[in-house]
Amino acid sequence: GAVVSQHPSWVICKSGTSVKIECRSLDFQATTMFWYRQFPKQSLMLMATSNEGSKATYEQGVEKDKFLINHASLTLSTLTVTSAHPEDSSFYICSARDPARPTDTQYFGPGTRLTVL
Amino acid sequence: QKEVEQNSGPLSVPEGAIASLNCTYSDRGSQSFFWFRQYSGKSPELIMFIYSNGDKEDGRFTAQLNKASQYVSLLIRDSQPSDSATYLCAGGFGNEKLTFGTGTRLTIIP
Repeated sequence: GAVVSQHPSWVICKSGTSVKIECRSLDFQATTMFWYRQFPKQSLMLMATSNEGSKATYEQGVEKDKFLINHASLTLSTLTVTSAHPEDSSFYICSARDPARPTDTQYFGPGTRLTVL
Repeated sequence: QKEVEQNSGPLSVPEGAIASLNCTYSDRGSQSFFWFRQYSGKSPELIMFIYSNGDKEDGRFTAQLNKASQYVSLLIRDSQPSDSATYLCAGGFGNEKLTFGTGTRLTIIP
């Protein structure tokens, strides 16, 4: 399957700081990437859909000014958690759609575990 | 609202037996279905996808889709301890977004 990377794999930060997470498609060009959040023992919650060259589409209840998404190239999308607070601590996972595969097929990155102190 | 339902388990299966995981969905407009495996602390890994009614086999895994009854299942033959994980079912609706079930925790007992 297609390869998606994320960086960093984990991060610990102080409350009030901002954290940037990168998502890269390594062997294909991803016109669409997705950002999910997963709390312990819960399923994935879609936060936003990121399209290259355009503004991200956020799911209901997700604050776009707090979770800034930039999809500046066909292989890179970034999620910035601004002014992070302890309740933002979670497992953040990106996925990318490979246009060469059938619609809806997504490949996931390894995830970034964010801990806000 | 599009919903995908799974039994949260845990489901315990003896090693070497067949593990059967089930998923139902509410939206008849669903076009594609995916099974992901997620180990604890890791991100989901795509196992199989299925679009058409019937069975689709890949190694020890068989996905089954019944659109009339709105269910999709995953069979794992010759279960191994390494198959112990949470299995997520997801439905796609042709707009690229996936709706995930809550996952079924599977434990293979040696």
